[in-house]
Parts: sequence; structure tokens; C-alpha cells
Amino acid sequence: SQKIEQNSEALNIQEGKTATLTCNYTNYSPAYLQWYRQDPGRGPVFLLLIRENEKEKRKERLKVTFDTTLKQSLFHITASQPADSATYLCALLTYYGNKLVFGAGTILRVKS
Amino acid sequence: EAGVVQSPRYKIIEKKQPVAFWCNPISGHNTLYWYLQNLGQGPELLIRYENEEAVDDSQLPKDRFSAERLKGVDSTLKIQPAELGDSAVYLCASSLDGRQGDDEQYFGPGTRLTVT
Repeated sequence: SQKIEQNSEALNIQEGKTATLTCNYTNYSPAYLQWYRQDPGRGPVFLLLIRENEKEKRKERLKVTFDTTLKQSLFHITASQPADSATYLCALLTYYGNKLVFGAGTILRVKS
Repeated sequence: EAGVVQSPRYKIIEKKQPVAFWCNPISGHNTLYWYLQNLGQGPELLIRYENEEAVDDSQLPKDRFSAERLKGVDSTLKIQPAELGDSAVYLCASSLDGRQGDDEQYFGPGTRLTVT
């Protein structure tokens, strides 16, 4: 069956450290992978998109990698801040179906 | 620029009652999405519109859910009758052109529905 798995346990890190979140998928052939941030009581906010032929994408303190062999994407936040605390969702867009499929998200808590 | 607007933000109804949610997308966005999000889960697509045409409604429970997007702008999602299991957050999103696949989606704040 098709699955998108993100760390179900919250990730707690100290301010200033690098946070690394994982998104694994099975039985998908993603064309693109997107990462969103969601704060409590709000809708998701788009952060980054990476295509299947791209290994890495950066935006300010954010970095995403995409390994289609391992079927995994890693999302990094460098020099993390308490304001980075939120739930981070990965989402795949497949060649077949043309719709985003979301993971359950990982809660990140950055402590000062 | 105004974002995606949804109303109401919260709704509490008794089971078997009808309920409707309204969404106003970002101006100029052709594609509109309705998602359902359960607690601790990611959003799940219910229906996608390209302008006024529903192009993907395969996950919409058509026995009780209906949606419309008249004139290709605002959209309404209705549940009739509501069941206890419908309690969730209903998110609306829009994008410039969803046919491209790599479109960034802009989400509204959602409507939190509680069915008692």
C-alpha cells in the first residue's frame, strides 16, 4: 500500500541547533515533493518544493534534500529559533493523479 | 493581498443537521481545493476545481457531501446530514493553475466542525 511517513514523535531541540525532519514514502512515484509549515489553528503555509531530478534545494535557513533511491526527503532548519516551532508537513505530487498527498506531519519544538 | 478567506471559523451542530462552509480564494487563482484534516493528520483532498469545473472529486462522499463553485470564484461545501465522524477541520486552498502540478497552494485558516 502507499504510505507517507513522518516522525510521529515530536522533535525537541535547543535554539541554535539544526533541526532535521524526515519524510519517507513507499509505493509512490513522486514528481515533486513539497514541505509546508502549519501553526495551531491555521492552515498550512508553503515552504519549499523540490523536483525528482533535484538533489537539494535551499531557501534562507531551510534546506530540503530528495533521494528517490532511498525514497526519502530530509528537511533541515539551521540556526533554529523558538519561532520555528510548528508542525511540518511533507506532501507528494505523483505523476498519476495530479494531486498532493500529505504526510501526518512532525511537531518541532525549539527551546530557548 | 488578501489570503484565502473561509467562514465560519467554528461550527457546532447536532448530528443529522446540515452545515455549509464558504471559501473565497485569492483573486486570480483558477484552482480551488477543499481538504479535510483530522487531528494529528495531514490534509486529505476532498475536491479540486479548475475554474468552475470539478476535476477531482473522487474522495468526496457524495451521499452526504456536495460542493459548488459558481462563476469559478467562491465555493461552498455542504454536508447533509452531518455525522459524528465528520468532526474535523475543513480547509480551503487555492493556486494559480493546479494543472501544472507544481503549483504552490495557499490555504485558508479552516473551519473547525464539531458534530455532537
